[in-house]
Amino acid sequence: DGGITQSPKYLFRKEGQNVTLSCEQNLNHDAMYWYRQDPGQGLRLIYYSQIVNDFQKGDIAEGYSVSREKKESFPLTVTSAQKNPTAFYLCASTQLAGGPNTQYFGPGTRLTVL
Amino acid sequence: QKEVEQNSGPLSVPEGAIASLNCTYSDRGSQSFFWYRQYSGKSPELIMSIYSNGDKEDGRFTAQLNKASQYVSLLIRDSQPSDSATYLCAVGGSSNTGKLIFGQGTTLQVKP
Repeated sequence: DGGITQSPKYLFRKEGQNVTLSCEQNLNHDAMYWYRQDPGQGLRLIYYSQIVNDFQKGDIAEGYSVSREKKESFPLTVTSAQKNPTAFYLCASTQLAGGPNTQYFGPGTRLTVL
Repeated sequence: QKEVEQNSGPLSVPEGAIASLNCTYSDRGSQSFFWYRQYSGKSPELIMSIYSNGDKEDGRFTAQLNKASQYVSLLIRDSQPSDSATYLCAVGGSSNTGKLIFGQGTTLQVKP
């Protein structure tokens, strides 16, 4: 079964804690993206990566970090510097070569700060 | 700042009616346009994509693109209660990053 998986589905963080959200894809897609969605809002881009060992900041990168050591994996760390991390986090991927870049999404991780 | 604008709604239509969802974008260099449906608490799923001016039909869904007016729309014919969701418009630019800019979404309510 091809697709994008995210874990955990729900995550609770205490103040001052770093937490890491997992995103894995077996679609052989080149690019991967992390978005944040707040209630009643659209998607805001946190980080994206077009190739292994390279990534770029999106519109709201402060307080977040990523790595891309394997093509299939793009984990997101929410650091203690992110002051308001409670949100729905979505990972997406797309194939860059060969035409328009449709993004496909994982099921999401809902992060709550206690 | 490149922007994508949608009316947040809610847009309420009776069952069986046509629902019309609209989206405008600011970047004239945009080349790809997508409509995603998002049910409450779930992730977005692709409904339609369109890349050239005109209409594109897929079942009960029709996407319309007018690049001169920087306008893209989604028509849903014979609306069903199961179509009740938030519809996100997304626009891709001319760079090869695959990045999309999303509108805030329009909430559609189809009443039986």
